[in-house]
Amino acid sequence: GQSLEQPSEVTAVEGAIVQINCTYQTSGFYGLSWYQQHDGGAPTFLSYNALDGLEETGRFSSFLSRSDSYGYLLLQELQMKDSASYFCAVRDLAAAGNKLTFGGGTRVLVKP
Amino acid sequence: EAQVTQNPRYLITVTGKKLTVTCSQNMNHEYMSWYRQDPGLGLRQIYYSMNVEVTDKGDVPEGYKVSRKEKRNFPLILESPSPNQTSLYFCASSSTIQGYEQFFGPGTRLTVL
Repeated sequence: GQSLEQPSEVTAVEGAIVQINCTYQTSGFYGLSWYQQHDGGAPTFLSYNALDGLEETGRFSSFLSRSDSYGYLLLQELQMKDSASYFCAVRDLAAAGNKLTFGGGTRVLVKP
Repeated sequence: EAQVTQNPRYLITVTGKKLTVTCSQNMNHEYMSWYRQDPGLGLRQIYYSMNVEVTDKGDVPEGYKVSRKEKRNFPLILESPSPNQTSLYFCASSSTIQGYEQFFGPGTRLTVL
């Protein structure tokens, strides 16, 4: 089966940098996705890493190390609107179709 | 506008009363999926469908049914709801090629009394 571990909560101030780590165990790893979910909202896609290295999209970056079964999401220049839950999700080659297995989520609280 | 819609958004029902939550997408996606979200447990897959008439169980399928008669629709059926099915439900869709990017509906908050 698959399992993903990520911290449950992180608190930071506006303008700061936050790193959300995700470690995974899976039988047939294909890639790591990150999703953002605001309270009361639906998850929305942020980024995807299939290969080792850093992917940058504006203030957010995502990193993957396949050999360490580890990835992280980096939130820079934090803004109040970044207060949300962030989920890592593994796409598993061994599973049928496009199955994503999600971590439990990290709640990020941004303070003024 | 590309979107996934779900109805109803909120539902309070009683144990044993059959209900259906509808899901529709307008992006011509082959893959559709249902998740339930409970505090601290993330999103857990209930059922998925890789195309019309092709469905399969996810991680927590007990007590649920689905059907995929048309490509755009993927309803979730609870034949005899129980209180442990009180949860937030999300429908999602994606193309087969870009399966890492799933598009989620707005969610249905279900309470079973």
